[in-house]
Amino acid sequence: QVQMVQSGAEVKKPGSSVKVSCKGSGHTFSSYAINWVRQAPGQGPEWMGRIIPISGTSDHAQNFKGRVSFTADKSTNTAYMELRSLRSEDTAVYYCTRLPNWGSGAFDVWGQGTMLTVSS
Amino acid sequence: DIQLAQSPSFLSASVGDRVTITCRASQDISNYLAWYQQKPGEAPKLLIYDVFTLQRGVPSRFSGGGSGTEFTLTISGLQAEDFATYFCQQLNVYPLNFGGGTKVEIK
Repeated sequence: QVQMVQSGAEVKKPGSSVKVSCKGSGHTFSSYAINWVRQAPGQGPEWMGRIIPISGTSDHAQNFKGRVSFTADKSTNTAYMELRSLRSEDTAVYYCTRLPNWGSGAFDVWGQGTMLTVSS
Repeated sequence: DIQLAQSPSFLSASVGDRVTITCRASQDISNYLAWYQQKPGEAPKLLIYDVFTLQRGVPSRFSGGGSGTEFTLTISGLQAEDFATYFCQQLNVYPLNFGGGTKVEIK
């Protein structure tokens, strides 16, 4: 069964950092780019960035201006998203999802989401 | 960045109705357009990609169309389980932005 399982909910203080994990199973991890999407309460999804595990290449949306980084451990099929200098506006559900490296497609498998609450 | 404008943002319909949601892109995105369904507390679910290709397991009452900058998602014969929020997404250029969403509610 193809799935992506994320780490649990987090509560953080403003100015701190969070690292969310996403473990893939049931598929060839290296055939996909792992994308990260967040969704604030009552809002639409926002694309944050991606990492291509087979090459280690990553990029991110300009909105995050270097606050975010993506890593991947091919040996454990796990991707990570770290968000730094947290502020209250970062309160959201964070999802990992996959996109084929080649050919057509879209975000066909999603993690269950990780709720991040940023509050003093 | 490419912006996507969905309309309507809210839609009230009855079981059995045919409904159409529109997604307009701020520039040509070729055929790199996907549609997702999201229910409260769940991750988005892929319905359609490349404008009209149905994701495996998605009922055939869902269909997509359009090209260039204007696209549609049609549900032919709305079922109770279809009441949800729908998002379009462009996959032509990064960042892979989403539309603002259309909430489909029971009339």
